[in-house]
Formats: sequence, C-alpha cells, structure tokens
Amino acid sequence: AQKVTQAQTEISVVEKEDVTLDCVYETRDTTYYLFWYKQPPSGELVFLIRRNSFDEQNEISGRYSWNFQKSTSSFNFTITASQVVDSAVYFCALRGNNAGNMLTFGGGTRLMVKP
Amino acid sequence: DAGVIQSPRHEVTEMGQEVTLRCKPISGHDYLFWYRQTMMRGLELLIYFNNNVPIDDSGMPEDRFSAKMPNASFSTLKIQPSEPRDSAVYFCASMRTPNTEAFFGQGTRLTVV
Repeated sequence: AQKVTQAQTEISVVEKEDVTLDCVYETRDTTYYLFWYKQPPSGELVFLIRRNSFDEQNEISGRYSWNFQKSTSSFNFTITASQVVDSAVYFCALRGNNAGNMLTFGGGTRLMVKP
Repeated sequence: DAGVIQSPRHEVTEMGQEVTLRCKPISGHDYLFWYRQTMMRGLELLIYFNNNVPIDDSGMPEDRFSAKMPNASFSTLKIQPSEPRDSAVYFCASMRTPNTEAFFGQGTRLTVV
C-alpha cells in the first residue's frame, strides 16, 4: 500500500514571504516516483515536478524548489518570495512501480498568499 | 498538443438520469485515468486503462459506474442512474509511460439534484 500525507491543510502568508509545503510518503516499493501538482482556483490540475526514487538531488525552478530526502520519506516544496498568483491548492503524489501505475494523492495544502 | 480534453465542463442533471462524461487523452499516451475529487474524499482513482484495456477498476464506487475506452483517443465514464452523492469534479488524465507524469484535463463538474 502507498500513502501520501500533507499535514498542513491550509497555510496563509503575506506576499514575498517564503513558504514550505510538507509532504511525507509511505511505500514498500524501492522504485517510485513523486510529483507535485498545483490546483489554482480555476480548478485544473497543473503538473509541477516529477522525481524518481534514485535521484535525491534537490531541484530549483525559478522561485520553486524541492527537497527530496529518502531518509525521512519527505518531498517538500518551497516557494520563495511568494506571490498572490501562487494561491492554490498544492498536491503531492506518489506512484510506486509495483502499485499498478496508480497515482496516490495527498490531501492537498491550500496556500493563500495575501497582498 | 491541446492537452487532455474533457467534456462537458459542467453538467447538472436530475437524480436517476444517465450521465456520460467524455475524455480525449493526449495523442501517444498509452495510459488513461479517471479520478473523482470531492471535499470529503479528495482525489480518488476510479479506473485506469493501458492501451485501451481496463487494468484496475477497484476504485469504481458501484455498478452504477462504468467506463469504456473504445479506441486510443476516446474514453467515457457513465453513471446510470445518477444520485446526488455522485456530485463531484471528475478528472481524466493521460500518461505516456509509467515513468512519466500524468497530465490532467480541466475536469467535469457534475451536480446531481
């Protein structure tokens, strides 16, 4: 069985603050993939990043960065200098190689960035 | 590519009516997924297909739900008869291979009154 936990259901910050969204996962698979998706108020699910279990290198893309740590089964997402347009629900997801290609989502974190 | 295309975007129907949701995956993607999103249960996988063949339908709530993929470019999710508790946003997603990401359509917001 695989599970994704996003303990923060809602976070509120003021524009230009940095914010980190936590994601903790559980899987018995040795090969797996982790993802982050963004769901803005318009409702679509937008892919942000994919990471495989063999690549623990952190990644930075503009104001976004991701910290993958197998030792703590975490895949955290940081937004630097947040902007109002970052307001959305962010989902962390996991797919294990032996999980039948099923993508398991966390419950999501609602981020509100206030001007 | 236009991405995953779902229709309709919104559907309001009366309890007991049949509802059909449609999805066109991204060309060349071998996997297609149907998800349901509700406030109470979050994002749930209903069923997925590989090369048009249903692989896992364990998430389908009950016999009132059925899904088909007659060809690589089209899938339907049907609810018959519909009930108010089926009200949710239904997402279709497609994926090229197991080690790539899934891309989602814009969803169909279903309201059963």
